[in-house]
Order: sequence, then structure tokens, then C-alpha cells
Amino acid sequence: GAVVSQHPSWVICKSGTSVKIECRSLDFQATTMFWYRQFPKQSLMLMATSNEGSKATYEQGVEKDKFLINHASLTLSTLTVTSAHPEDSSFYICSARVGPENSPLHFGNGTRLTVT
Amino acid sequence: RKEVEQDPGPFNVPEGATVAFNCTYSNSASQSFFWYRQDCRKEPKLLMSVYSSGNEDGRFTAQLNRASQYISLLIRDSKLSDSATYLCAVIKIYNTDKLIFGTGTRLQVFP
Repeated sequence: GAVVSQHPSWVICKSGTSVKIECRSLDFQATTMFWYRQFPKQSLMLMATSNEGSKATYEQGVEKDKFLINHASLTLSTLTVTSAHPEDSSFYICSARVGPENSPLHFGNGTRLTVT
Repeated sequence: RKEVEQDPGPFNVPEGATVAFNCTYSNSASQSFFWYRQDCRKEPKLLMSVYSSGNEDGRFTAQLNRASQYISLLIRDSKLSDSATYLCAVIKIYNTDKLIFGTGTRLQVFP
């Protein structure tokens, strides 16, 4: 069964608005979660590492003021896309690791964001 | 050079065929390797981890070649349901914890 739950599955919003995406670990505590983005026909690109109780670590080229990450509890991380623009339309997927550092990631079902 | 590279395909094969994909990685310090399967408009799902000695899970066999820095996935007796994109993923350096993905190889199995 799923170990990571993501909500919403899809969202359509108008340009300039903000969208919040939730990622929950089910039946385990995740001190670290990872947020990826995937554009059509491209691979998953790591956006940021979400750390419980501390600031997220962003990958080069990802604007931390635009993609706000909050990891306030051991089972919930949120990604807020602020002032969304059409070029932010993408598939956003969170993930977490059940096990040590070298174990694989398990992904949420993803959120398809369309900004009109 | 990309950190993780795959032939995007598509690989079009008939049912019952054997097909193999390779994936190369650039960082020799990479520690852990995985194959994921991604169906259209869905999240990736872990197919299998790749161990140094090679490993098999049913019709799927994964191998690691550290000297040449590539991993491979072999699918035997292809089924229609194997049609998907296969992504390889590498933990770049042990203590950074980050999983880096290739662009994926598209497989289409036809009747």
C-alpha cells in the first residue's frame, strides 16, 4: 500500500494566486521529504529537501521565496507555489524514505498543477 | 554531461520478447542504484534496487557495472502491461541523500 500521500491530485488556478500542496507520510515518521517537479516528457528534477523543524534545502535554480516549504511535523510537509505563473504548470511529486540514507524513495501520487 | 543518462527510446517490442535498458552515471562515488517504473501521468514506483552482485525479481534482472559506471535492466517475456517508462535513479554521494533520476526509457510492448 501507499506509504506517502499527496493532496490535491490536481489543481487549476489563475495566474498570480498561490497553491498549497500537502505531503504526508503514512504510518511512519519522515524527518526528511523530497520535492520533485516533472515537466512533460522530462525527468524528475529535485527541487528541494524538506527538513522537519528546520529550513528546507533548495537545489540550484529553485527560488525559495517562490516555492515555500514547511515541514512542521514528522508526517507532513507542504509546498506552496506562490504567485503562480503558467510556466509553473507541472507535475509536483513529494517523496520520503522508509529506512536508512541509501534506501529508495517512495513517492506520493503527485499533484498536477495547471496555471491559467 | 548529465549525471544520469538513459536512451529515451521508445523501445517497441512484441509480447514475449526480451529487452534490455542501460543507464550510465557520471559520478564514480555514487553508492546506491534503483530502477523505477512510471506510467503515463502517474508517480514513479520502485521496481527494484540494484545490488553489486546483480539481482533478479521474476522476469526482471538488474545489474551494476561499477567499472564502466552503468546499470542495466533486463525484462524477459515482455507483457503488454510492461509498457511504461523506466527510470534509473542514483544516490549521488552517500551522505547527501539525494536521489537523481535519468530521463527515462520508454517501452512499448505490442501484441
